[in-house]
Amino acid sequence: GQQLNQSPQSMFIQEGEDVSMNCTSSSIFNTWLWYKQEPGEGPVLLIALYKAGELTSNGRLTAQFGITRKDSFLNISASIPSDVGIYFCAGTMDSNYQLIWGAGTKLIIKP
Amino acid sequence: EAGVAQSPRYKIIEKRQSVAFWCNPISGHATLYWYQQILGQGPKLLIQFQNNGVVDDSQLPKDRFSAERLKGVDSTLKIQPAKLEDSAVYLCASSLSGGGGFSHNSPLHFGNGTRLTVT
Repeated sequence: GQQLNQSPQSMFIQEGEDVSMNCTSSSIFNTWLWYKQEPGEGPVLLIALYKAGELTSNGRLTAQFGITRKDSFLNISASIPSDVGIYFCAGTMDSNYQLIWGAGTKLIIKP
Repeated sequence: EAGVAQSPRYKIIEKRQSVAFWCNPISGHATLYWYQQILGQGPKLLIQFQNNGVVDDSQLPKDRFSAERLKGVDSTLKIQPAKLEDSAVYLCASSLSGGGGFSHNSPLHFGNGTRLTVT
């Protein structure tokens, strides 16, 4: 079953707002990946993290690998309409190198 | 470079019927994956091929699902017979080399999926 808890489940945002979402686990992870999925498409890799404490940016997106290795955060600054979609975290644990996925955070722009 | 190609885009079948999905990975990618994505959930790995050999099929319901990757390029995933709970998007992905698609040098590239509805 799911071993990653992703929150929030959905977010309504105004254009221009900053967005934060996170992913947590009760187990230690050694890799964290963040993907974005738009309707009718497959997930696209945004950021990959491989070390505890690592902070990596990709344009307006910034992700961090938590110090405890049990969580990761994704921030989007100054959101724009094309940011809408579902953001997934995924990772691998020490004991199992299979990629485990969260259930996603759906980002919706308020009209 | 051309992306991962999948067909068909949509398929509607009745329960107990059979269905097949096709995937053509990015040229030169040795590893191919089939994922099942149920609405509201993240993708779930069904099977992983390295060239034409199976690396991981631990989550494939083998009583009804089968997959092959002849010649180490294209792949087909078949469901026979289908059940209502098989309704999902079936995603194919490929990566340049082995592993689970999480390495910096060999990330996953997904196709746009096949949306299956079983009635």
